[in-house]
Amino acid sequence: GAGVSQTPSNKVTEKGKYVELRCDPISGHTALYWYRQSLGQGPEFLIYFQGTGAADDSGLPNDRFFAVRPEGSVSTLKIQRTERGDSAVYLCASSQRLAGGRDTQYFGPGTRLTVL
Amino acid sequence: AQSVTQLGSHVSVSEGALVLLRCNYSSSVPPYLFWYVQYPNQGLQLLLKYTSAATLVKGINGFEAEFKKSETSFHLTKPSAHMSDAAEYFCAVRGSNFGNEKLTFGTGTRLTIIP
Repeated sequence: GAGVSQTPSNKVTEKGKYVELRCDPISGHTALYWYRQSLGQGPEFLIYFQGTGAADDSGLPNDRFFAVRPEGSVSTLKIQRTERGDSAVYLCASSQRLAGGRDTQYFGPGTRLTVL
Repeated sequence: AQSVTQLGSHVSVSEGALVLLRCNYSSSVPPYLFWYVQYPNQGLQLLLKYTSAATLVKGINGFEAEFKKSETSFHLTKPSAHMSDAAEYFCAVRGSNFGNEKLTFGTGTRLTIIP
């Protein structure tokens, strides 16, 4: 079956601009996660959705970052007033809730964001 | 809170030799542990996971890992390295309790296979 897809695969923008990154999870997965991976680092958690609601947004670095999942499927990560430090690969993952929380997060290929 | 430490940012082994990638964790609750592999310009692929069943976990591509609570370790091994194993490997941890779903990753180990 289809995996997690993310669009665009690459995004180049200028400092101060607004960007939207899209994630299509695996069909039927109720949980959706956003992570950010900077060069040479492991992914860092940003936000987690269970259904339509953000169950944990403790990883969002500041109020320029916002994410939505209005119908409990596709999610959009929105970044306002981009800064050069926002340059990274943004990864999306989804999972199906299992008993005891033993679910596996399946990752998409990521969106490489470059802020000039 | 949870964290992982991966010892060795770069590991090189000869083709056919044993692969050993180290991961130590810290967790305030019983952990779930994961190993992911990342090939260049690709997303993360799950190799194996420990979710409190058997402590020796077998994964894809001949990899396995053993959960050792006394050593707070979850090292990844493969008896015989293949050229296709060259990639970046990430260890990750999350708490096993409800409300603790986010993964915390290590900084990764880049595995190079010497022909």
